[in-house]
This record gives sequence, structure tokens and C-alpha cells, in this order.
Amino acid sequence: DIQMTQSPSSLSASVGDRVTITCRASQGISNYLAWYQQKSGKVPKLLIYAASTLQSGVPSRFSGSGSGTDFTLTISSLQPEDVATYYCQKYNNAPLTFGGGTKVEIK
Amino acid sequence: VQLLESGGGLVQPGGSLRLSCTASGFSFSNYAMSWVRQAPGKGLEWVSGIVGSGDDTYYADSVKGRFTISRDNSNNTLFLQMDSLRADDTAIYYCAKGRSSVVTPNNYWGQGTLVTVSS
Repeated sequence: DIQMTQSPSSLSASVGDRVTITCRASQGISNYLAWYQQKSGKVPKLLIYAASTLQSGVPSRFSGSGSGTDFTLTISSLQPEDVATYYCQKYNNAPLTFGGGTKVEIK
Repeated sequence: VQLLESGGGLVQPGGSLRLSCTASGFSFSNYAMSWVRQAPGKGLEWVSGIVGSGDDTYYADSVKGRFTISRDNSNNTLFLQMDSLRADDTAIYYCAKGRSSVVTPNNYWGQGTLVTVSS
């Protein structure tokens, strides 16, 4: 099975900073990659699918890129409400494996 | 869209539970559904998925042979039959709706139901 590796596992940044999270697949998955945001005590929320397509209602400061094995989630200007854990998920075929998560905090 | 899970609880190792998820607000049979779990303090783990028609099902290796996903499109309900439960199956189990009839990312999630496997 394909493994999904996220880095870093956690980060601390200032409000307004540009934040980048990386997700690497152990084999190519084309663009079958989604990103989720999970705030503490809340259910996950789909942010991006097809590697770069923003889910309806998601702020434009979130963006995704990549194809094949390497993907990134970028927050262009970090806001206090972006404090959360972010997960990537591959869905080219089953199992739909999640990455280990990246916890984002405000410095 | 609303997804309401039920059926969680405390069960002994080796026991069984059946989770249900009642869906409303969308044409249930047109969308794939998944179960995703999260152990206390841990990350997300995809458990199982089923296409809109119910004809195809998929499982994580960790539950294959022990869990069975199914759906009743007449009653807009998703199920997860969990047998031979182990301590490491302890988690919140989320029901989630796919973006299409095939297994895809999940754009709506229920609030989850807690399953605790312990003697």
C-alpha cells in the first residue's frame, strides 16, 4: 500500500506568515490528493481536492499544488482561526490513506 | 446535509458492535460513503468505503476480514459491522459523505460515535 508522509509534524508561525506543509506519497498518485483541516474538538473539514481545487467556501488564502508524489498545502497569510491540524489523504485507489498530520500553532 | 452516527459504546475484546449512520439532505444513493476513525489523541485513519450503489466495498488492511460496510439506500442508512474487536479499535468513528458515487474525498462528516474496546 502507498504510504503518505507529512512534514513537518508541527509548526509555529506568526499571524500573517506564509505557511507551507508538505505531503509525500511513496508511489505516484497523479493528482488524487485531498487536504483536510481539523480544529481541536471538531470534525475534519475538506479544504482541497484534486491536489489544487479549493472546496466551496474555503478562504482563498489556502492553496494546494503538486502531482505524482510531492504535494504542498500553503496558507498565504496565517490567521488565528487557522490553528488546527492538517491532514493529506490520497484517493487514487483504496485504501484512502491519510498522512500523519501537521499541527499548526500561532507563535 | 446531515449525518448522524449511532451504535457506539463499550465492548469487550473479541466482541461485536454495529454502527449506523442516518443520512439526510442529499440523494443518498448517488454518493459513496466512508467510515473514518480517530483514536484518542491520534490522527485520522480511513477504515472503509462503499460506492453509491453498494456494489463495491473497500477496507483498510487493519480491519479487513473483521469489519463489514454496507448500506440501505431505501432508508438512507450506512452501516459498519465490527467483529473480533481489539483494544486498538478504540476510537471515534466518523461517517462521511463522498463527493461523488465513487470513493472520493469526504465533504461532509458526522459528529462521530465513540467505540471503546476494553475488559
